Parts: sequence; structure tokens; C-alpha cells
Amino acid sequence: DIQMTQSPSSLSASVGDRVTITCRASQTINGYLNWYQQKPGRAPKLLIFYASNLQSGVPSRFSGSGSGTDFTLTINSLQPEDFATYYCQQTYTTPLTFGGGTKVEIK
Amino acid sequence: EVQLVESGGGLVQPGGSLRLSCAASGFTFNSFGMNWVRQAPGKGLEWVSFISSSADTIYYADSVQGRFTIFRDNGRNSLYLQMNRLRAEDTALYYCARDAGGVGASIFDYWGQGILVTVSS
Repeated sequence: DIQMTQSPSSLSASVGDRVTITCRASQTINGYLNWYQQKPGRAPKLLIFYASNLQSGVPSRFSGSGSGTDFTLTINSLQPEDFATYYCQQTYTTPLTFGGGTKVEIK
Repeated sequence: EVQLVESGGGLVQPGGSLRLSCAASGFTFNSFGMNWVRQAPGKGLEWVSFISSSADTIYYADSVQGRFTIFRDNGRNSLYLQMNRLRAEDTALYYCARDAGGVGASIFDYWGQGILVTVSS
């Protein structure tokens, strides 16, 4: 199985900050990497698919990059509604696997 | 508007069975693969199973292989998860999620609100 390792597991940031979350796969996943945002009591929401493609309706302050085994989610100018938990997911091969999550909290 | 609504959850004893349903609307159901994803209380996301649009491709996580069965009824725009021989570790919020990418390139673009399954004596 492909293991997905996210870092950090949590972070504190202020409104307006730039936030970077990394996700490392245990083997190459050919760019089949998605990012989701989950707020408490809510279902996950797709932000980025195939490493760098912004899902329709998602603000442009979210961006994704990376290739091979290393990927990054960047939030430029963090907004109050962005405080949530973020998950990466590889869909290169089954079992489809998620990272452990990164909780973004208010500083 | 795409909507996915899960039902069928509840409290069940270890070793028991439960069938989850996911009613889909707002899109052409028979054109999309579908997934089940679960989330144990306070934990992260775990993919459970995938079924292709025509049900000719099905995958399961090792943790549920042989106990859970995914199936769909395209005429009823519904997805199902039959869960047998339930264990305490199956306790979770279960989500259905539409797959916009398909086999080998999944993208979970819409999710239901989730349904709670509790396995306990």
C-alpha cells in the first residue's frame, strides 16, 4: 500500500499568513494527488485534483504543486473560513489512501 | 444541484449486519463511479470501496474485503454498502462520494453528509 505522510500534523497561523502543507507518498504516484478541506461536522470538500488543478468554485488563494512523491498545498493570505483540517489523497492505485491530516488553527 | 444522501446507519452488535444507502440526484448517476469513505470518531479519512459506473469494476480496502459488498442500482440512482460481520473498529461516519475521475484516476468531487454506524454490544 502507498503511505501518505502529511506534515505538519497541525499548525497555528494568523489571518493573512501564507500556509504550506506538504504530503509525501511512499512511492511515485504520477501526479494522482488530491487535496480536501474538512471543517468540523462537515463532509470533506475537494480543493485540488491531480496535484495542481483547482476545483471549480475554490478560491484562487489555494494552489497545489509537486510531482513524483512530494506535493504541496499552499494557501495564500489565509482567511477566517480556511481554518480546517486538510487531507491529501493518492488515487494512483488501490487501496486509495489519505494522509493523516493537517489541522490549521487560529494563532 | 448534485446531492448525495446517506441512510441506513445506526447501532448494531458485533457480528451483525447493516446496509447503507446513498440516494443520488442532480446528475447522471449511471455515468459516474462511486465510493464509500469512512471516518472513525476523531480520526482521519479511510477509503472503503469503489464501484465503476456500470459496476464492472469494484475495489475494496483490505480492512473490509470479504465482509462488505458495494453495489448500485442505476435505475434507482442509488449506491449501497452491505456490511456483514461488523466489528467495533467499523464504527465510523460513512460517506458516499462521487468519483469524477474514474478507474485509476479518482477524484471525489461531491460527498454526502455522512451516516453514523456504531458497532457495540
